[in-house]
Amino acid sequence: AQSVTQLDSHVSVSEGTPVLLRCNYSSSYSPSLFWYVQHPNKGLQLLLKYTSAATLVKGINGFEAEFKKSETSFHLTKPSAHMSDAAEYFCVVSPYNNNDMRFGAGTRLTVKP
Amino acid sequence: EPEVTQTPSHQVTQMGQEVILRCVPISNHLYFYWYRQILGQKVEFLVSFYNNEISEKSEIFDDQFSVERPDGSNFTLKIRSTKLEDSAMYFCASRMDRSLNTEAFFGQGTRLTVV
Repeated sequence: AQSVTQLDSHVSVSEGTPVLLRCNYSSSYSPSLFWYVQHPNKGLQLLLKYTSAATLVKGINGFEAEFKKSETSFHLTKPSAHMSDAAEYFCVVSPYNNNDMRFGAGTRLTVKP
Repeated sequence: EPEVTQTPSHQVTQMGQEVILRCVPISNHLYFYWYRQILGQKVEFLVSFYNNEISEKSEIFDDQFSVERPDGSNFTLKIRSTKLEDSAMYFCASRMDRSLNTEAFFGQGTRLTVV
């Protein structure tokens, strides 16, 4: 069985301050891990994905995520938030060589001026 | 850049009516999905489809739902008799394969409103 837990339903930061969106997963096998972003009234856009080449993954718009197998985590970070980062962020897990793709509950990021 | 397209963008239907939501996945992709998102809630898995058959479905995907790939390009979700609680955004996705780190590409969604 596999599942994904996003620890915060809502994160609020000030513009220019760091962002941390937390994601923990459980999977019987080495999983694929992704972060997707959904801006208001828009579809789902891939932000970044974990490749086994490196534990620190760089995505679009300055976001990064670090895969920590010992902690079963894949937290999303950004050094400096921008107003345009305000959106819903979803952590997605898919076991290796498996058709299944499951979403976390999502974290709504609010960026204050 | 190839993309997943969904039509219509918004569908309003009366309770009890049948609706068909349409999706055109990326052409060389092999795995297809439907998800739904009730307003303000999480994205929920409905069904996955591979090699012209359902490979997995959730408890949401009951007998009122069906999927089809009628012509090798379209991938449709049919709801036979819509209920008010079927009102949601429905997302189609496709994936080239299921190997490690292959992402899914999502369409822009169809907003279904059941009145």
